[in-house]
Amino acid sequence: GQNIDQPTEMTATEGAIVQINCTYQTSGFNGLFWYQQHAGEAPTFLSYNVLDGLEEKGRFSSFLSRSKGYSYLLLKELQMKDSASYLCAVAGSGGGADGLTFGKGTHLIIQP
Amino acid sequence: DAGVIQSPRHEVTEMGQEVTLRCKPISGHNSLFWYRQTMMRGLELLIYFNNNVPIDDSGMPEDRFSAKMPNASFSTLKIQPSEPRDSAVYFCASSLLRRESPLHFGNGTRLTVT
Repeated sequence: GQNIDQPTEMTATEGAIVQINCTYQTSGFNGLFWYQQHAGEAPTFLSYNVLDGLEEKGRFSSFLSRSKGYSYLLLKELQMKDSASYLCAVAGSGGGADGLTFGKGTHLIIQP
Repeated sequence: DAGVIQSPRHEVTEMGQEVTLRCKPISGHNSLFWYRQTMMRGLELLIYFNNNVPIDDSGMPEDRFSAKMPNASFSTLKIQPSEPRDSAVYFCASSLLRRESPLHFGNGTRLTVT
């Protein structure tokens, strides 16, 4: 089975940097995804990591350590529109084609 | 591309009624997934199809739930009879059959069973 943990809620200030952590225990691992979900909307894809290290994509970066079962999403130069839930999701042994197991999400609140 | 299309966006029904949710995946995607999202349990995978074939329905909560994918461009999730605890947002998602391919979600159906 899969178990994914991430903080329920975080608060940060506009223009600052925030790091959202995710830890997982899985019976198989074939990559970790981060999704963003605004209230009342569908989740949208942010990043994918399958090898250890940092992947940078504009203001967003994602890190993975497979030996530690740990990932984080780093958001820089925070904007008000970044207020959303951020979902960590793990692909099992069958990869994304077998569906993803999602954490419950971290609700990020950006304050002016 | 129009993205994943779900209908209806909202459904309000009485306990005991049949509910049918519909999904059109992105053209060319060969994997389709049904998820349910609630505050308490987050996003849960109900069932998924690869090339129109159901692969794993172990997430379907009860026999009251059933899903079909008669062709590559259409899928349904049916609840019969519906119960108040089925109230949730139901998402359909599609992807390519590749490890790194992300899921593309539809806008969801918000189901309320009274």
